[in-house]
Amino acid sequence: KQEVTQIPAALSVPEGENLVLNCSFTDSAIYNLQWFRQDPGKGLTSLLLIQSSQREQTSGRLNASLDKSSGRSTLYIAASQPGDSATYLCAVRGRNYGQNFVFGPGTRLSVLP
Amino acid sequence: GAGVSQTPSNKVTEKGKYVELRCDPISGHTALYWYRQSLGQGPEFLIYFQGTGAADDSGLPNDRFFAVRPEGSVSTLKIQRTERGDSAVYLCASSLDPNTGELFFGEGSRLTVL
Repeated sequence: KQEVTQIPAALSVPEGENLVLNCSFTDSAIYNLQWFRQDPGKGLTSLLLIQSSQREQTSGRLNASLDKSSGRSTLYIAASQPGDSATYLCAVRGRNYGQNFVFGPGTRLSVLP
Repeated sequence: GAGVSQTPSNKVTEKGKYVELRCDPISGHTALYWYRQSLGQGPEFLIYFQGTGAADDSGLPNDRFFAVRPEGSVSTLKIQRTERGDSAVYLCASSLDPNTGELFFGEGSRLTVL
């Protein structure tokens, strides 16, 4: 069974800091991994999708890396802003578990002005 | 449509009642997913459709839960004899390709069972 964990569970940083969120998964046989952002009371917004053949993806101040062999992904946020405050979730689409994504519990990020 | 649309956004019902939640995916997306999210947790998989058929319903918690997608577009999640433990946010997502496609979510339907 695929299990996804995220560390830390919560993070508070001052505005302007660079930060890294971590995601780990137990089964490396994956199609891809996707990072999402969720604001309170809202749905999930897609941030980055990394295919299993890729090492990283970048969008603006966000950079996501994937190390399939070690079962890890990181989301790097540069020059954090108060508007980045949200819960960040990673999800893994495994080859052994149909086509559905398995989600981690999320990291709750607070960026203080 | 431009995005995944879910209705109702909020539903309050009494224990034992029947509930339907609707999802309208992004036009052209053949893969449709239902997830359930409880407070402070990540979404939990319920069921996945490829076209009109349920390709994987292994996440449905029991036989009170059922979902359909008769024409391969709009899907309805049906919950019979609701229980207080069914209270959660029900999220729908769609994807253009079931293996490699990016997943796009709706805003969710918040269900409260009193």
